[in-house]
Amino acid sequence: NAGVMQNPRHLVRRRGQEARLRCSPMKGHSHVYWYRQLPEEGLKFMVYLQKENIIDESGMPKERFSAEFPKEGPSILRIQQVVRGDSAAYFCASSLSEGSYEQYFGPGTRLTVT
Amino acid sequence: DAKTTQPNSMESNEEEPVHLPCNHSTISGTDYIHWYRQLPSQGPEYVIHGLTSNVNNRMASLAIAEDRKSSTLILHRATLRDAAVYYCILDAGNNRKLIWGLGTSLAVNP
Repeated sequence: NAGVMQNPRHLVRRRGQEARLRCSPMKGHSHVYWYRQLPEEGLKFMVYLQKENIIDESGMPKERFSAEFPKEGPSILRIQQVVRGDSAAYFCASSLSEGSYEQYFGPGTRLTVT
Repeated sequence: DAKTTQPNSMESNEEEPVHLPCNHSTISGTDYIHWYRQLPSQGPEYVIHGLTSNVNNRMASLAIAEDRKSSTLILHRATLRDAAVYYCILDAGNNRKLIWGLGTSLAVNP
């Protein structure tokens, strides 16, 4: 059973470009979380999605950031017009159900904005 | 959101037990205590969770104080592979929106 997959693992973007980060949850998991980790810091919650629904986006910046988890295909975290401060590791996690106590994390996407 | 306090770093020797403390004095009655760890350049990995009673699994044990204001993660025999940052996290029973602190960086000496 494959774990949580994220791609790309490393992404370099120039200021002003768009970044698209993909996350495929574990097989059978319908709950996806996105977290951001700045250098030397802990993870910060961004958004929690179920298939076709955003459940909690209280950690998402108000502008330039969006997330989706379509019925088919991976979850996408989209950052428009990236700035240097967006440089971070972005982790996706999935869980089996809303009541699950374990979140399974992917290896992360390391975004560098030049 | 309830906060946790952990030492910045700890050190252990291989094959010795390790006790990683966590204070959560503002914990509420419905908050679960989770522990995750993050190896260098990897995503976090679930270790264990509990509510009131002590818990054991194949990776570790979790000892929870009677008043629930603190807990201790116990690694029974540290290995080099256990060198990681260990995070103690409170969750209000629904596992959404885990609030992460800075964790404890554990070094294991051979």
